[in-house]
Amino acid sequence: SQQGEEDPQALSIQEGENATMNCSYKTSINNLQWYRQNSGRGLVHLILIRSNEREKHSGRLRVTLDTSKKSSSLLITASRAADTASYFCATDGILNTGFQKLVFGTGTRLLVSP
Amino acid sequence: EAQVTQNPRYLITVTGKKLTVTCSQNMNHEYMSWYRQDPGLGLRQIYYSMNVEVTDKGDVPEGYKVSRKEKRNFPLILESPSPNQTSLYFCASTIVLGGNTGELFFGEGSRLTVL
Repeated sequence: SQQGEEDPQALSIQEGENATMNCSYKTSINNLQWYRQNSGRGLVHLILIRSNEREKHSGRLRVTLDTSKKSSSLLITASRAADTASYFCATDGILNTGFQKLVFGTGTRLLVSP
Repeated sequence: EAQVTQNPRYLITVTGKKLTVTCSQNMNHEYMSWYRQDPGLGLRQIYYSMNVEVTDKGDVPEGYKVSRKEKRNFPLILESPSPNQTSLYFCASTIVLGGNTGELFFGEGSRLTVL
């Protein structure tokens, strides 16, 4: 399996601080996506980064991808209490799985305290 | 409004009683997929469908069936539910563009308890 592994499993910070979450995966990928999940709710897509991209921004989100290390990071700047959620990375493989089998990691639980 | 709608949202049932969780999307997406989410295991894919009448197994298909007779609907069928199928289930869909990954749109989830 090329399941992504997020690190840390849980992160607790104060409002205004930056939050960094990491994702490592095992095999070559086409794309890597990040999703957010509020407790017990459906996942919401945040950002997609392709294998030929190194960095991508969307509002307060910054995603990096290092294919040589098979890792990605999600940075949330100036965090807010409303950012409290679980964050998942998802990868699709070139060889064995492809787009059809987007594989999710186990997630990072982020708690932002006011 | 673009939506993926799952029903029921919550269900408690007993072992062996057949049940169906419905999923419908209004975005004309070709691709649909079912996932289950369990603590510490993340989301695991059960089945997916690339288009009408085209379905394939994901990573954990045992004990489940699906059908795709219409583009908008992708029901998940548990013929004989067992307690190990107690989980939070998500349906998701996306458009297919030249084989490239698109963002998945998720339903709100169906929490199933099998006693």
